[in-house]
Amino acid sequence: DAKTTQPPSMDCAEGRAANLPCNHSTISGNEYVYWYRQIHSQGPQYIIHGLKNNETNEMASLIITEDRKSSTLILPHATLRDTAVYYCIVTAGGTSYGKLTFGQGTILTVHP
Amino acid sequence: DAGITQSPRYKITETGRQVTLMCHQTWSHSYMFWYRQDLGHGLRLIYYSAAADITDKGEVPDGYVVSRSKTENFPLTLESATRSQTSVYFCASRAVGYEQYFGPGTRLTVT
Repeated sequence: DAKTTQPPSMDCAEGRAANLPCNHSTISGNEYVYWYRQIHSQGPQYIIHGLKNNETNEMASLIITEDRKSSTLILPHATLRDTAVYYCIVTAGGTSYGKLTFGQGTILTVHP
Repeated sequence: DAGITQSPRYKITETGRQVTLMCHQTWSHSYMFWYRQDLGHGLRLIYYSAAADITDKGEVPDGYVVSRSKTENFPLTLESATRSQTSVYFCASRAVGYEQYFGPGTRLTVT
């Protein structure tokens, strides 16, 4: 699976958009970009994933560059409850195992 | 209750003892996974399974044994616990083509 690079920490004001970047320059054609987050010591929570097109769901938006070498997770209106560690993971999806290789992630702190 | 559960949630054991961590999911997901997370680190894959009676090693399998006789259960056994296995253990499951869902974790302390 391709490796990812994320900033170790980011801050965001409550109510503002949080934009979390991720580099995955060695991504393969059949690999997806997944985002998970872990709030305090809870189990990781799935946020969103995409292959090449931009995706949006009720939690977030995922913007993937045309060359697929980087992506940005957007939390449109961050709240204090969005404070968490955010993991960007590249893995084969579909009928493969979909094993996840977690890096250090980005610690997002949302301030009042 | 529907979902994925782990038991016990907290466990203290002594070095050399055998301990089994349980994982149960109600969705009939094909794939199941065990991860460990140490303080200040990301999660690392221990073992995974594609179906009943099909298991494979992940990144850090040494000292652990798994079995999967039923689709819904995926127990993880530490045959002879060591202090280095003190960690938080997360179980996850996944349907084919979908994302992984994680359990609440088991916090294991080996003294």
